[in-house]
Amino acid sequence: KQEVTQIPAALSVPEGENLVLNCSFTDSAIYNLQWFRQDPGKGLTSLLLIQSSQREQTSGRLNASLDKSSGRSTLYIAASQPGDSATYLCAVPFSGGYNKLIFGAGTRLAVHP
Amino acid sequence: EADIYQTPRYLVIGTGKKITLECSQTMGHDKMYWYQQDPGMELHLIHYSYGVNSTEKGDLSSESTVSRIRTEHFPLTLESARPSHTSQYLCASSEYGEGMPLQFFGPGTRLTVL
Repeated sequence: KQEVTQIPAALSVPEGENLVLNCSFTDSAIYNLQWFRQDPGKGLTSLLLIQSSQREQTSGRLNASLDKSSGRSTLYIAASQPGDSATYLCAVPFSGGYNKLIFGAGTRLAVHP
Repeated sequence: EADIYQTPRYLVIGTGKKITLECSQTMGHDKMYWYQQDPGMELHLIHYSYGVNSTEKGDLSSESTVSRIRTEHFPLTLESARPSHTSQYLCASSEYGEGMPLQFFGPGTRLTVL
């Protein structure tokens, strides 16, 4: 059964720091991995989608990498800003399916000025 | 503008009441989902639908029921709410086809049962 774990659970950093958020999954037979952002009391916004054939994806200050063999993904945030404060979730498809997702518990990020 | 909507955003009700959480999307997506999320915890899939008249239970057992009579509408119903149902409920839809599993989420409904 697929399980998704995110470390750390919470992170508080000063503005300007470069950050690494970690995500691990137990079943490496995945089609893809997604990173989402969730602001308090709101829904999820998709940040990056990495297909199983890819090793990384970049969007602005965000870079996500995927290592299927080790069951790991990292989300790198460069030059963090207070507006980056949110919970970051990673998700992978259910085993045998690609449209139903299993989520980690998230990393709650606070960037202070 | 294509989007996904949920109403109400917040709901506080008494035990035993019947409630329906609404979810609508204007993107024409076939696949729709309901997730339940307790504070600080993972999202858990409770229901999904691959199209009209198609509904399945998700990974987490739930006493709620869903229906899919129209493509754009996927309501969730609790016949008799209990305090254990207090949670946030998130609706999502996704584009069809392998390689395009992007899910779009609504803003969520935060339910409190007293």
